[in-house]
Amino acid sequence: EVQLVESGGGLVKPGGSLRLSCAASGFTFTSNGMSWVRQAPGKGLEWVSTISSTSSHIYYADSVKGRFTISRDNAKNSLYLQMNSLRAEDTAVYHCARETEWIEYSMYYYGMDVWGQGTTVTVSS
Amino acid sequence: DIQMTQSPSSLSASVGDRVIITCRASQSISTYLNWYQHKPGKAPKLLIFAASSLQSGVPSRFSGSGSGTDFTLTISSLQPEDFATYYCQLSYITPQTFGGGTKVEIK
Repeated sequence: EVQLVESGGGLVKPGGSLRLSCAASGFTFTSNGMSWVRQAPGKGLEWVSTISSTSSHIYYADSVKGRFTISRDNAKNSLYLQMNSLRAEDTAVYHCARETEWIEYSMYYYGMDVWGQGTTVTVSS
Repeated sequence: DIQMTQSPSSLSASVGDRVIITCRASQSISTYLNWYQHKPGKAPKLLIFAASSLQSGVPSRFSGSGSGTDFTLTISSLQPEDFATYYCQLSYITPQTFGGGTKVEIK
């Protein structure tokens, strides 16, 4: 079964740090880019960061650039999100997601086709 | 950055109704548009990629259309399990912005 399981969430004070993990199983982890997406309480989905299959390309939302670091360990089938200088507005459920590529009409398309249930991060004093 | 605007933000519908959700991009994005379904406490689910391609395993009552700046998600006959929040998403181009969401509620 294809599965993504997040862990590492919790309660942290403003300015603190947290490291999220995402364990992948049931597919060839090295074949896919991976992303983090979050949902703040009462809000919609927000893309956070994406890393390519070999870690050669990394992208961040402006809201987390310079504070968050995405990484992966292909030997361990794991994705990570190191979150530093946390703010109250970072409070959210964080989902990891698999990026899959399709070729349609000779064009490349991407989508997040497998998601984890999420891990909750609460930033509060 | 490209902005994605969904409408309506919420709607009430009955089982069997035809539901149409729209998504507008602030500039042309070709067909780099995905649609997701999200239920509380669950993992989001990819429904449509490339604006109109149905993801494997998704019921055929879901369909997507559009290109450039205007897109639609149609549910041809709403089923009880379809009550959820739906999001469009710009793909391929970063930031991969999501629309604000459309909550589909029971009438």
